[in-house]
Amino acid sequence: DIQMTQSPSTLSASVGDRVTITCRASQSVSRWLAWYQQKPGKAPKLLIYGASTLESAVPSRFSGSRSGTEFTLTISSLQPDDFATYYCQQYNSYSRTFGQGTKLEIK
Amino acid sequence: VQLVESGGGLVQPGGSLRLSCAASGFTFSTYWMTWVRQAPGKGLEWVANIKQDGSEIHYVDSVKGRFTISRDNAKKSLYLQMHSLRAQDTAVYYCAREAAGIDYWGQGTLVTVSS
Repeated sequence: DIQMTQSPSTLSASVGDRVTITCRASQSVSRWLAWYQQKPGKAPKLLIYGASTLESAVPSRFSGSRSGTEFTLTISSLQPDDFATYYCQQYNSYSRTFGQGTKLEIK
Repeated sequence: VQLVESGGGLVQPGGSLRLSCAASGFTFSTYWMTWVRQAPGKGLEWVANIKQDGSEIHYVDSVKGRFTISRDNAKKSLYLQMHSLRAQDTAVYYCAREAAGIDYWGQGTLVTVSS
């Protein structure tokens, strides 16, 4: 199975900061990588698919990129609503896998 | 689009439970569907998925031989039959639609395996 290694596990930042979360695949997943945001007690929300395509209605401060098997999620200017947990997920293999998650906390 | 799970609850170790997911607002028969779970305080874990016509199914290793995913396109419903349940299966189980990634999720149903 494809393993997804996400880092960091926790990130402390302030409103207005630029932050980056990284996800590395154990083998090629091409561009079939999605990012989700989850808030406590809620279902995850799709932010980005195809490594860099923004889901409809997601603010443009979110962006995704790919370099080989390494993927990044960047939030250009943190807003109060962005403090949440973020997950990557590969869907290149029909046996899907998620990263361990990154909790974005207020500094 | 709406996905509504049901069937969760408290079950003893070794017991069985069947989860259901009622879909509406989209053409159910044209999408892969999936189950994802989340243990209390833990991350997301993909559990199983099923092709549009049910002809292709995949499971995470930890549930193979114990869980069965199925669908009824006429009823616009997705199911997860769970047998030989273990404490480690305790989680919120989400029904979800696969497109490019998972674009719609249900609200989740809690399964608690405990004596």
